[in-house]
Amino acid sequence: SQQGEEDPQALSIQEGENATMNCSYKTSINNLQWYRQNSGRGLVHLILIRSNEREKHSGRLRVTLDTSKKSSSLLITASRAADTASYFCATDYDNDMRFGAGTRLTVKP
Amino acid sequence: DSGVTQTPKHLITATGQRVTLRCSPRSGDLSVYWYQQSLDQGLQFLIQYYNGEERAKGNILERFSAQQFPDLHSELNLSSLELGDSALYFCASSLTSGDQPQHFGDGTRLSIL
Repeated sequence: SQQGEEDPQALSIQEGENATMNCSYKTSINNLQWYRQNSGRGLVHLILIRSNEREKHSGRLRVTLDTSKKSSSLLITASRAADTASYFCATDYDNDMRFGAGTRLTVKP
Repeated sequence: DSGVTQTPKHLITATGQRVTLRCSPRSGDLSVYWYQQSLDQGLQFLIQYYNGEERAKGNILERFSAQQFPDLHSELNLSSLELGDSALYFCASSLTSGDQPQHFGDGTRLSIL
């Protein structure tokens, strides 16, 4: 069963715009991770944020975590056509990884 | 390239049959994870092995089993296959267990006819 729920399910933006995706989850976590999946390929790890962290940055990516609201957000700034992919959040608690259904991001050139 | 190798890339078989999927983890990684991705169920965690021992179990059916060998490669065995087992099966590996990013292979696409 899935743990996280991404919102929105699909997002379409123009190149150069920012994209924000949200993830909500139900139970306790050790960490939350964001992954990207290009069509038909394996998932690529983007960023891991631990339960005692509130914000992390990696290049054009910014992830926030609010454990009181059981939610996380992924911000991609200055998006590019190459960012077109599905994005998944995954919660990890005692080695039990649960993925959300994903957000399908389309960046139009 | 994630460094995780899965074979075969595609597998077509019939209901009732048994198949074995193989995964070679990234060099140095001790943990191997198996996932099933289908349109209706999304990405489901099946099972994790760490240094040859089963570490965590997810939504793995009794018809499915896995093992991790001394050289750390892993195999996922699927038996008495049903139409609903058609899916992408991913293997991922990580350095240790827990609190680590996972590196995914490109998957094995299993089609049951």
